[in-house]
Amino acid sequence: QSVLTQPPSVSAAPGQKVTISCSGSSSNIGNNYVSWYQQLPGTAPKLLIYDNNKRPSGIPDRISGSKSGTSATLGITGLQTGDEADYYCGTWDSSLSVGVFGGGTKLTVL
Amino acid sequence: QVQVVESGGGVVQPGRSLRLSCAASGFTFSIYGMHWVRQAPGKGLEWVAVISYDGSNKYYADSVKGRFTISRDNSKNTLYLQVNSLRAEDTAVYYCAKDRGGYCSSTSCHRGFDYWGQGTLVTVSS
Repeated sequence: QSVLTQPPSVSAAPGQKVTISCSGSSSNIGNNYVSWYQQLPGTAPKLLIYDNNKRPSGIPDRISGSKSGTSATLGITGLQTGDEADYYCGTWDSSLSVGVFGGGTKLTVL
Repeated sequence: QVQVVESGGGVVQPGRSLRLSCAASGFTFSIYGMHWVRQAPGKGLEWVAVISYDGSNKYYADSVKGRFTISRDNSKNTLYLQVNSLRAEDTAVYYCAKDRGGYCSSTSCHRGFDYWGQGTLVTVSS
């Protein structure tokens, strides 16, 4: 059971928009920065979003992140087949003094 | 360019030990926190441990506390994970990941993992 809760799967058609939610508590998302990662099959995770809503160099602006209270959201617009992957949110839990991830969300581009 | 390369994985019997290494290059290793993250076959990511830039602060997941030890040698740009008393449930790909920050305390020790290695597989089996 993950500390952060994500939907197991989401799907949308090419060109459409999808959002992935990540729900936590005041000890983790509520008081710490959230990051988002993309993991393509058979590869290491890749940072998409850090500090709730910032994109590393090279990440297109069709990828976005937001945070409100104890929840965070990853948004992807203009979906492409290459976006099919598992997506994870992550942060720190200040009460437990541990890093935490969501259980992951599998994105299918229909 | 930035690289982190793990090594040291393999097949090991329950109760035995391994030392995983992560060689870093392309950045100033000594000013960044470093993490170990693992992924069991077909499962999600599980955070394992973190060490601050200078090695003064270390934190562990409850599932490995007392059995795993994270350390670093800034003179060699290398991160380590000593894994003892291995169990079947420790079977996973172990990733080394660079944190965007260096400072680490009990209340904040994660600013995003911007570089990951390719992982090293640890299989615990008799």
